[in-house]
Amino acid sequence: DAGVIQSPRHEVTEMGQEVTLRCKPISGHDYLFWYRQTMMRGLELLIYFNNNVPIDDSGMPEDRFSAKMPNASFSTLKIQPSEPRDSAVYFCASSPLRGGETQYFGPGTRLLVL
Amino acid sequence: SQKIEQNSEALNIQEGKTATLTCNYTNYSPAYLQWYRQDPGRGPVFLLLIRENEKEKRKERLKVTFDTTLKQSLFHITASQPADSATYLCALSNQAGTALIFGKGTTLSVSS
Repeated sequence: DAGVIQSPRHEVTEMGQEVTLRCKPISGHDYLFWYRQTMMRGLELLIYFNNNVPIDDSGMPEDRFSAKMPNASFSTLKIQPSEPRDSAVYFCASSPLRGGETQYFGPGTRLLVL
Repeated sequence: SQKIEQNSEALNIQEGKTATLTCNYTNYSPAYLQWYRQDPGRGPVFLLLIRENEKEKRKERLKVTFDTTLKQSLFHITASQPADSATYLCALSNQAGTALIFGKGTTLSVSS
């Protein structure tokens, strides 16, 4: 199994631009999680899905952030418009069991907003 | 509000010694607790899970304890090696047991 796949691995953009991060979970996993990691705040849960349905998006910082999961093998996290404070590493993770147990993380997308 | 604290940002020990990392939490009753390892530039990797009704779990050189009265978990690496150098993250399940809340991590450096 290739594990969780994220793209792009690095993204540099200018303030105000739209950013789309992509994730392919491990096949057969029912849960998908989006996290953001910064030095100041550590690893923060943004949103998670169960069987493609968003369950809890209380961690999404504001309306500029949105996430979708159109099918079991693909999810996107979109930031529109992006701001410098959105600079962070964004991780996608998936889990095969009742949500939260043993999460498998992707390599992350390092986002820099200038 | 819920709070998770890992005792220190950095821990330096010599090869062969036992590393002990601490995770404390407040205003929280997690169903289970997990420890992850994160290497620079990579995503966290699952190491161990311990449930609220378990006191201790072991896996090779790793040992985790979970004291729900003290609201604390200890993570031990025995006979530490330079290859154990990484950041270790403590994670607790949310109240519904459906997601994880992570601590900020402790960076362990093992010198030879």
